[in-house]
Amino acid sequence: SQKIEQNSEALNIQEGKTATLTCNYTNYSPAYLQWYRQDPGRGPVFLLLIRENEKEKRKERLKVTFDTTLKQSLFHITASQPADSATYLCALVSFQKLVFGTGTRLLVSP
Amino acid sequence: EAGVVQSPRYKIIEKKQPVAFWCNPISGHNTLYWYLQNLGQGPELLIRYENEEAVDDSQLPKDRFSAERLKGVDSTLKIQPAELGDSAVYLCASSLGLAAFSYNEQFFGPGTRLTVL
Repeated sequence: SQKIEQNSEALNIQEGKTATLTCNYTNYSPAYLQWYRQDPGRGPVFLLLIRENEKEKRKERLKVTFDTTLKQSLFHITASQPADSATYLCALVSFQKLVFGTGTRLLVSP
Repeated sequence: EAGVVQSPRYKIIEKKQPVAFWCNPISGHNTLYWYLQNLGQGPELLIRYENEEAVDDSQLPKDRFSAERLKGVDSTLKIQPAELGDSAVYLCASSLGLAAFSYNEQFFGPGTRLTVL
């Protein structure tokens, strides 16, 4: 069966450290993968898109990798700040629609 | 530029009652989506519109859910009758481009939190 797995447990890190979130997928062959941020009571907000032929994408303090052999994407936030605390969702583009993972909650403590 | 607008933000109804949600997408966005999000889960697509045409409604429970997007702008999602299991957040999103640009970023509204008692 098709699955998109993200750590269901919250990730707790200290301010200034690098946060690394994982997205693993099974029985998908996505050409694109996106990452979104969601704050409580709000809709998801787009962060980054990475294509299957791109190994890595960066935007300011954010970095995303996409390994189609491992069927995995890693999402990194460097120099994390308390304001980065949120839930982060990965989403695959499959048959012209986005399929979301369950999200991982990130907590950055001062 | 205004974002995606949804109303109401919260709705509490008793089971078997009807309920409707409204969405106004970002101006110029021809693709509109309705998602359902349960607590601790990612959004799940219910229906996707390209302009006024519903091009993917395979996940919409058609016995009780209906949607429309008149004139290819605003959209309404209706549940009739509501069941206890329908309690969730209903998100509307919009994006530029049609199916060939399905990788385009989606812009989400704040959602409507539905509670069915």
